[in-house]
Amino acid sequence: DGGITQSPKYLFRKEGQNVTLSCEQNLNHDAMYWYRQDPGQGLRLIYYSQIVNDFQKGDIAEGYSVSREKKESFPLTVTSAQKNPTAFYLCASSSITGNQPQHFGDGTRLSIL
Amino acid sequence: AQKVTQAQTEISVVEKEDVTLDCVYETRDTTYYLFWYKQPPSGELVFLIRRNSFDEQNEISGRYSWNFQKSTSSFNFTITASQVVDSAVYFCALSEAFVGANNLFFGTGTRLTVIP
Repeated sequence: DGGITQSPKYLFRKEGQNVTLSCEQNLNHDAMYWYRQDPGQGLRLIYYSQIVNDFQKGDIAEGYSVSREKKESFPLTVTSAQKNPTAFYLCASSSITGNQPQHFGDGTRLSIL
Repeated sequence: AQKVTQAQTEISVVEKEDVTLDCVYETRDTTYYLFWYKQPPSGELVFLIRRNSFDEQNEISGRYSWNFQKSTSSFNFTITASQVVDSAVYFCALSEAFVGANNLFFGTGTRLTVIP
């Protein structure tokens, strides 16, 4: 089935540790996105990418990094510089023509140990 | 700047009641797109509808309907004869018309609980 796969579903981070969240899509979409969701809040954009080897910062990029080496993959690293990383992270993808809707993965819940 | 306001944080209804979720937006663009997404307890966001700013026709899809009014900058969502499976968080979102990656500006969501 076509879709977006995020892994792991749950992730725990120790203080000072970097962790990487995986996002893979087989929808042949050019654009991919990472959002952060906190309780009672909407989704906030962390990073997005329109094409391989290119990505742009969103509204809350500090403490995060991404790469886009393949069209299908857009991993997000939560670095130790992100002081409040506990949140629900959602990856999405879309076509880049005509403001097509974004398709979302099932999310990764990150917690601090 | 773009902004989406969903003033209703939580709504509870009894099954088979109708319910309307409000969405008010702000944008300086004359061309833009509006979206509704559903987030069930499993966490993923499910796309429901996309509407562009030039199309003010109301839309109906089964028990779902949407009322878009540019005069009041609102894009409200009505569920008719609600069911327990409709229980979820619903997000309204706005994007500028753009070629390329379209950044979505989300409201804070409305949690709908349908009581059997």
